[in-house]
Formats: sequence, structure tokens, C-alpha cells
Amino acid sequence: DAGVIQSPRHEVTEMGQEVTLRCKPISGHDYLFWYRQTMMRGLELLIYFNNNVPIDDSGMPEDRFSAKMPNASFSTLKIQPSEPRDSAVYFCASSRGYSGNTIYFGEGSWLTVV
Amino acid sequence: DAKTTQPPSMDCAEGRAANLPCNHSTISGNEYVYWYRQIHSQGPQYIIHGLKNNETNEMASLIITEDRKSSTLILPHATLRDTAVYYCIVRVGGWGNNDMRFGAGTRLTVKP
Repeated sequence: DAGVIQSPRHEVTEMGQEVTLRCKPISGHDYLFWYRQTMMRGLELLIYFNNNVPIDDSGMPEDRFSAKMPNASFSTLKIQPSEPRDSAVYFCASSRGYSGNTIYFGEGSWLTVV
Repeated sequence: DAKTTQPPSMDCAEGRAANLPCNHSTISGNEYVYWYRQIHSQGPQYIIHGLKNNETNEMASLIITEDRKSSTLILPHATLRDTAVYYCIVRVGGWGNNDMRFGAGTRLTVKP
């Protein structure tokens, strides 16, 4: 069974450029999560979707960040314009929503903004 | 607001049991206790979860106190590959309450 698939695994970009991170959740999962991890702030929940609908985006740091889920098998996290402080590992995760469910994480996208 | 408190770091000798504590004194009756771990450079990995009974699987055991205000994750025979950051999380299961928020965790170092 394929897990959560993220791309790109690594990206280095210049400040001001647009960055798009992509995620394919596990088939059949109806919840999708975007997390960001830095040394300073640890693992932070940015936004999560249920059945492709954003449920809670209170963790999105600012308007430069946006996330979409056009269908059940694809989501994007976009940063425009990017800044050096956006450098982090971005994780996508998915789960099937029922009592006692668990969340499965992808391997992360390592973003460096210079 | 942190729902859980964990020690920032712990050491364990290889082959011995690793006992990782977690305090969750404000846990609600419908909140589960979840444990995840993150090995360096990888995504977090699910370990185990429970509501009020003790649980065991192939990876670990979870002991939850009777008042549910604390729990302990037990790795029965720690190996070097168990070196990781371990996160204890409390959350409500079920529809509409599916966000998983991580704290700082405990950095476990297994030493030879």
C-alpha cells in the first residue's frame, strides 16, 4: 500500500519566488493535514481538510500561504512570495476519520529559501 | 495551550526497557492518548493509542493511570533504532475533531 506521497522532497528557491508543495494522500483517507516543522517552533499544524473542504486554517502563518485540495487524491500548499523564514520541513499527512483513527505522514518536503 | 507535559530528554541503555512518561491532567473523558515518534529526517510515525485501558502492540505498550491524568509509553527492549523524539498527544476521536497538535516531545537516546 502506498503511503502519503509528497513532492518535491527538497527545494531551494530564492526569496520572492513562488513555491508549490504537493501531496497525494493515502487512497480512501478523507482527512488531509499540512504541518510545518522548524527547530524553533517544532511541529505545527497549518491547515487540515475533510472531504476536500478546509476545516481549520488557523495555523496558516499569513496570507502568503494558501492550500487547496481540488480532489480527494491531491493537495497543494503554496507560498507566494517566499521568504527565508519559510525555510522548514513541510509534512503532509492523511487519515480516515473515525473514532480511534491515526494519522499517516509523508516523508516531508525540505524547503530552503535563500 | 499545551495539553500534555513530557520531559525534554531521556536516555536508555540498549536492550533495556524505555519508559516515557506523559502528564495530561486536563484530559477529557472522550479524549484519547496517542503516541507518535519521529526519527531524524523522517515524518512522524504512529506508535499506539488508547482511551482508558492499557494497550499493547508489536511496537510498544501504553499504560494509562486509572484517573487518566498520566500515561507511560513502554518500549520493552530498546534498540539504537528507537532513538527518536516521542510525542504524546491527547485529542478527541471521531468526526469533526480530527486535528492532531504536537508538543515538544521527549528526545529519547538509546545508548549502546
